[in-house]
Amino acid sequence: ETGVTQTPRHLVMGMTNKKSLKCEQHLGHNAMYWYKQSAKKPLELMFVYSLEERVENNSVPSRFSPECPNSSHLFLHLHTLQPEDSALYLCASSQEHSGGPWEQFFGPGTRLTVL
Amino acid sequence: QKEVEQNSGPLSVPEGAIASLNCTYSDRGSQSFFWYRQYSGKSPELIMSIYSNGDKEDGRFTAQLNKASQYVSLLIRDSQPSDSATYLCAVKIQAGTALIFGKGTTLSVSS
Repeated sequence: ETGVTQTPRHLVMGMTNKKSLKCEQHLGHNAMYWYKQSAKKPLELMFVYSLEERVENNSVPSRFSPECPNSSHLFLHLHTLQPEDSALYLCASSQEHSGGPWEQFFGPGTRLTVL
Repeated sequence: QKEVEQNSGPLSVPEGAIASLNCTYSDRGSQSFFWYRQYSGKSPELIMSIYSNGDKEDGRFTAQLNKASQYVSLLIRDSQPSDSATYLCAVKIQAGTALIFGKGTTLSVSS
């Protein structure tokens, strides 16, 4: 595997289900991100982990719960979602150090549909 | 509030023409600037990064940065129908913080 991988690529779930999205980066990076992209809307940052610590959390509803067990893996646990949570969920990673370049690379995304 | 502004378009150019995409940002402390290309239903793909004032060329793409004017642009020469996509401008303030993205400009190249 190379780059940033995400599983599953497509997910359909009911509002009472619990599911998890998985992201893995093979780039040796030390920061990982979750973004949400709804139809015809800009990228919305959800969570940032740098050196496995959550450093940003953009007022995301508690029905979304992130987990970063190590610098290569990131999860997004989902429960009691709403239909408006249907979107493309994107994972990204970057190497954060004072000198840059801070290039951020995205995974292919998980297309989530909440019924 | 730190912002990145882009004209949403659509920007329409004929095949073979130069497409010019523009982006302004609000934070004078911004240090790194990126252009991503996103095809419909796909994830953003990094195509250019620029850190110093001036031009940076990579194949048919040229990124231009003017920190005094807080302005960054992307030129696509010899535009092809396959360049039709949404182009996202992103700005990095400092290490340890997330990129700030613009809303994107949709480019349509007609053959």
